[in-house]
Amino acid sequence: GNSVTQMEGPVTLSEEAFLTINCTYTATGYPSLFWYVQYPGEGLQLLLKATKADDKGSNKGFEATYRKETTSFHLEKGSVQVSDSAVYFCALSDALTSGSRLTFGEGTQLTVNP
Amino acid sequence: EAQVTQNPRYLITVTGKKLTVTCSQNMNHEYMSWYRQDPGLGLRQIYYSMNVEVTDKGDVPEGYKVSRKEKRNFPLILESPSPNQTSLYFCASSLKALRQETQYFGPGTRLLVL
Repeated sequence: GNSVTQMEGPVTLSEEAFLTINCTYTATGYPSLFWYVQYPGEGLQLLLKATKADDKGSNKGFEATYRKETTSFHLEKGSVQVSDSAVYFCALSDALTSGSRLTFGEGTQLTVNP
Repeated sequence: EAQVTQNPRYLITVTGKKLTVTCSQNMNHEYMSWYRQDPGLGLRQIYYSMNVEVTDKGDVPEGYKVSRKEKRNFPLILESPSPNQTSLYFCASSLKALRQETQYFGPGTRLLVL
């Protein structure tokens, strides 16, 4: 079956530091890959996505590249801000399962200190 | 404003007392689903619906029921809640049931079953 593995958290960084959150996946088909972000007390919202190998998703300074050869979709940002503090979820959606069902990783809590 | 709404946001109940969590979207989306979020487990899908009157089980359906009588609404029913259903619940929707579709999440319902 499908699965997503994220680096364990929590992650604490100082403002303007470089961020990497690792994500690897296992899928039986050709999945789309997503990063969702959950701010405190809110629901999840899409941060970025990539739908085929070698695609790069980007938004708000965050980037992730769909690497089929390493089954990875690592999230990066060059300079984090306090406002980036949130929980980040890596997820995949595979056409072989129920429509657009998302399989999530465990989530990584990011705290950015001033 | 395009959104997914859930009610109630917080609920404390006792074992065995039937409850319903409502979910509504105003984006004319075909696909709707329910997830539960538990620490260390990420989000797991409970039930999903491809369209009106079409529903099916997700990964963790035991103890839950759903219905889809109207396109915009997708209530989650707990006929006889138990303490292991204490969790944070999210409703989500997407335009189509396709792997590349972005899913839009509601704000969440935090349920405590005593």
